[in-house]
Order: sequence, then structure tokens, then C-alpha cells
Amino acid sequence: ILNVEQSPQSLHVQEGDSTNFTCSFPSSNFYALHWYRWETAKSPEALFVMTLNGDEKKKGRISATLNTKEGYSYLYIKGSQPEDSATYLCAFYMNYGGSQGNLIFGKGTKLSVKP
Amino acid sequence: SQTIHQWPATLVQPVGSPLSLECTVEGTSNPNLYWYRQAAGRGLQLLFYSVGIGQISSEVPQNLSASRPQDRQFILSSKKLLLSDSGFYLCAWMTSGRRVDEQFFGPGTRLTVL
Repeated sequence: ILNVEQSPQSLHVQEGDSTNFTCSFPSSNFYALHWYRWETAKSPEALFVMTLNGDEKKKGRISATLNTKEGYSYLYIKGSQPEDSATYLCAFYMNYGGSQGNLIFGKGTKLSVKP
Repeated sequence: SQTIHQWPATLVQPVGSPLSLECTVEGTSNPNLYWYRQAAGRGLQLLFYSVGIGQISSEVPQNLSASRPQDRQFILSSKKLLLSDSGFYLCAWMTSGRRVDEQFFGPGTRLTVL
């Protein structure tokens, strides 16, 4: 059974704090790692799709790193704002040798940023 | 631009009643389509996916079925709902064959089975 683990499960920070969360995934047969942000009452939206070991991606105050050899990715938020409050999901694509495969989602990290 | 629609937005159904949730995508052709469910306290679980008309793959055995009668239409059904079918249902699409592309999610349906 393939498992994608995210930690922590939830996080409460003050506005202005920087924070990070972890996504762990199987290190064998890696194909791609996705990060999504899911705000309450909205649909999940993609933040990053990462494919290469050592990849670093950045969008505004949010960045992510990828280590495919050890099977983890970190998501960082610098200077958290209340609008960053959301559940952050990571999802793993395994290499099925050309066949479709599907995203396997973690349970998410729920971030609450207090003003 | 592409858009994805889901309806209804919320649904309250008695146990044993049938279910039909519909998802349609605009602005793309031959997408891969997905049905996910998030049950209370659990992660996002893939229920069904489809790579083409009439082609449905099920990820977990359950009380639900899916159909894809048209290229951009994906339907989730049940003949008799169970309490455990309650949850938040999301439809998603992705460009066919492009696993490095993101998935795009619909607005979701909140289903409560009483």
C-alpha cells in the first residue's frame, strides 16, 4: 500500500511567522510530486508540480523543495498572512512505466494564521 | 479557458435512496476525469478515473459507480446510499497523459446521508 504522509496535521501560527510542513512519499518509482492549497469553501488549487530531485519552486512567499532519493518534500511559507490559512495537500505520482497511474494524496496540513 | 462544473453543491439524502452527481468540463477535449471523496477526518481518496468515453477504472470497491457518457461529462451514481457515503465529492480533470500537469478541481458536492 502506497502512503503519502504529511506532518504536522495542523498548525496554528501568528501573522508574520514563517512556517514549513513536510510531505513523505515512497522513494522508489518516483514520477512527480504535487502541492495543492485547499481553502475552505473553495476547490483545491495547484501550487507546484515537481519532478526532479533537488527541485526548488517558488511562488510569492511560498516555496517548496524536493528530495526524491529520501522521499520527502518541504513546503515553506515566509511571513504567514491570514489569507494563507488553508489545508495544504501533497500528492505523489508513481512511475508505472508509461501507464497512467494516479495521484495519491496525503491527508493534508491544516494551517491557521492568526492576525 | 477551461472550466469545470459540478452539481448539486449540497445534497441531503436518506439512506437507501439513489444518487447522481454530475461533472462537466468546458474548454478542453479528451481530458482524464476523476472522482474523489473526502470523508470526515480523512484524506482525499480517489474513487474513479476515466481516460475516455465509456472507460472507467475503480480504485476502491464500494457502493458507488461512475459513467462517462460523453467526452466531457462524468457522472457518479449509487443505487442505494449508505451512511458511510457521506462526504465531500470532488471532480477533477487533467490533460490526458500528462502526469506532470496539475489537476483542476471542481467546486465539489457536500453529500450528507441521514
